Parts: sequence; structure tokens; C-alpha cells
Amino acid sequence: ETGVTQSPTHLIKTRGQQVTLRCSSQSGHNTVSWYQQALGQGPQFIFQYYREEENGRGNFPPRFSGLQFPNYSSELNVNALELDDSALYLCASSFAGFQDTQYFGPGTRLTVL
Amino acid sequence: QKEVEQNSGPLSVPEGAIASLNCTYSDRGSQSFFWYRQYSGKSPELIMFIYSNGDKEDGRFTAQLNKASQYVSLLIRDSQPSDSATYLCAVNMDSGYALNFGKGTSLLVTP
Repeated sequence: ETGVTQSPTHLIKTRGQQVTLRCSSQSGHNTVSWYQQALGQGPQFIFQYYREEENGRGNFPPRFSGLQFPNYSSELNVNALELDDSALYLCASSFAGFQDTQYFGPGTRLTVL
Repeated sequence: QKEVEQNSGPLSVPEGAIASLNCTYSDRGSQSFFWYRQYSGKSPELIMFIYSNGDKEDGRFTAQLNKASQYVSLLIRDSQPSDSATYLCAVNMDSGYALNFGKGTSLLVTP
């Protein structure tokens, strides 16, 4: 158990809908990173939040957006869902300044029909 | 495109043997290297991290880093069936602290 929590565990949406995924970071951590993991692939970096600001972004379109709150928890929002958005969404927390050792939450399995 | 490459496997080893997992990376500026274990349907679990050239040991696990050759490896001694999982190699990207993952190597330890 890493202390990183995510909700919901599973989610089913239809194409075109919007979804919000939530993450609470491990105690003492101030940075949250989000990753998308398709079946049979390694996690792909979406973006990272530090001090409530986006601190780097991977190759994902603007319909993927996020927030970080003062308590370091975070949300990932995806608009206009597409079938290819079906994946495991992983949140990882870390403490900026201590290299980048990231600890993952259990993930949210999103299915887009 | 900065790449992290791993053999997808499956790598099959008998119980009690040494499993050797390899990873190469393309970004010479990478500073931090990680091995995660992922069981089917679960999230990645950090096993080891290594920052300096050479070996780093933690229990049955040894991570090896060679920055000149741009490879990092993970050795698992006395492999157990419970070690059967996908092992992900991750390298930090130069955009801060984001990680670039390989596709993972599937390890099967047979009794």
C-alpha cells in the first residue's frame, strides 16, 4: 500500500461524454503525475502537477486537463471521450526535490463504449 | 522521440533461478532509473531505483546501471512463482520529473 488513493475504481462511459478521475497523494508528497496505460503497454505520461500548476505535459490533446488542490490532491478531466481513451488511468505521487521516485495508486479502469 | 526499450517476453525461468531483465534507453541526459513490478490487473509497484553507475542490491533484487552503454538491468535471485509479473523499466524525462516507461517484460517463474 502506497497511501495513494484513486476514485472511482471502474468507470464506464459512452463516446463523447466527459469524465473526472480523482487522486489523493501520499502524505508528505506535493507532486502528482497522471499516466494512461493501455492494455499491453507501459504507462504513458499525461501531465504532472506541482504547487497547483501544470509542471510538464506529455503528448496528449487539450481535452485532457487537470487540477491540483491546496491539499495536493488532483483531478484528471477528459472531455469528448473517444473509444481509444479506454485504459487504466494511474496517478502517482512524489516529493519534488527528492529525485522523482513516484508511487502509484491503484488506478481507475475507464471503459468507453 | 525518447525511447525506453524492453523485451516483451515472456521470460520463463524455473523456481530458484536468477531472472535477468534488461532495458535500454535513448536519452543520454536521463539521471534516474526505476524498476516497477505490475501484477495483472494491478497498478505498478516500485521495486528499485538507481541513480549511479554500478550495482544496487536490495534483498533478492539487484539493479545494474551503465550510463555509457545506456542500459539498466534487474536481476532477481532465487526467483519465486510470486515473482511472476510484468516488470516495467522507467527513466526520468528531461521535462522535469516525468517518467518514460518501457512496455514491460513479462516474467514467468515455473515451479
